[in-house]
Amino acid sequence: QVQLVQSGAEVKKPGSSVKVSCKASGGTFSSYAISWVRQAPGQGLEWMGRIIPILGIANYAQKFQGRVTITADKSTSTAYMELSSLRSEDTAVYYCVRDIVVVVAATDYYYMDVWGKGTTVTVSS
Amino acid sequence: DIQMTQSPSSLSASVGDRVTITCRASQSISSYLNWYQQKPGKAPKLLIYAASSLQSGVPSRFSGSGSGTDFTLTISSLQPEDFATYYCQQSYSTLNTFGPGTKVDIK
Repeated sequence: QVQLVQSGAEVKKPGSSVKVSCKASGGTFSSYAISWVRQAPGQGLEWMGRIIPILGIANYAQKFQGRVTITADKSTSTAYMELSSLRSEDTAVYYCVRDIVVVVAATDYYYMDVWGKGTTVTVSS
Repeated sequence: DIQMTQSPSSLSASVGDRVTITCRASQSISSYLNWYQQKPGKAPKLLIYAASSLQSGVPSRFSGSGSGTDFTLTISSLQPEDFATYYCQQSYSTLNTFGPGTKVDIK
C-alpha cells in the first residue's frame, strides 16, 4: 500500500521560501498524481495544486499562482512543494495527498485517498 | 474557481441520531464530489467518492447522494467515533476546491 512520508516542520521568516518534500513508498509513483492541501490553524482545507509525475505537468489554484511550484522526481518517488514570499498567513499544516482516478459506470472520477501526516510550516519574524 | 458551500457549519447530535450534511456547488459538477472526515490533529480520511460510492473500509452507516449542484452526506446512526469535521470536495474542475467544513459534536 502507498505511504507518503513528508519532511519535518519548518520555521521561516516572512519573505523567505519553504520547500516541503513528500516521498512515496509502495505502488507505482508515476501511476497517480500528487496534490498539496494546506490547513491553517483552526481553519478548513485548502487545495493548492497538483502534479502528474509521469507528465511533469502541474496545476495550481489561482490563489497561489506565481508563488507556489510543485515538482516531482520520478527517480526517487518524491514530490516537492515550494512556496515563496512567505507571510504570516501561510502558517499552516501542509499535506501531500495521492490523487487517483477510478472508473465508475464508464466515467473517470478523481479523489484523494492517501494522505501524508502533514508538515507544519510556521512563518514568524 | 468553483465555490463550494456546506450547511450547517456545525451541529450537535447524540449517539444514534441520523445526521445529514449538505454541500452545494456554484455550478454543476455532475457527480464529481467527494467527502472527507477529519479528526483533530489528524489528516483527513476519504469517506465517499463520485458522490455516492463508499470508500473501502468505511462503515455502511455513511452514505452520499446528489448530482449537479446539490449533495448530501448522511450518517444513519451516529457513533462516538463519528464526531469530527466533514468536508466536501469537487473534482469536476482540474482546480479542485473544498467546502468550508461541517463540525459534528456531541449534544
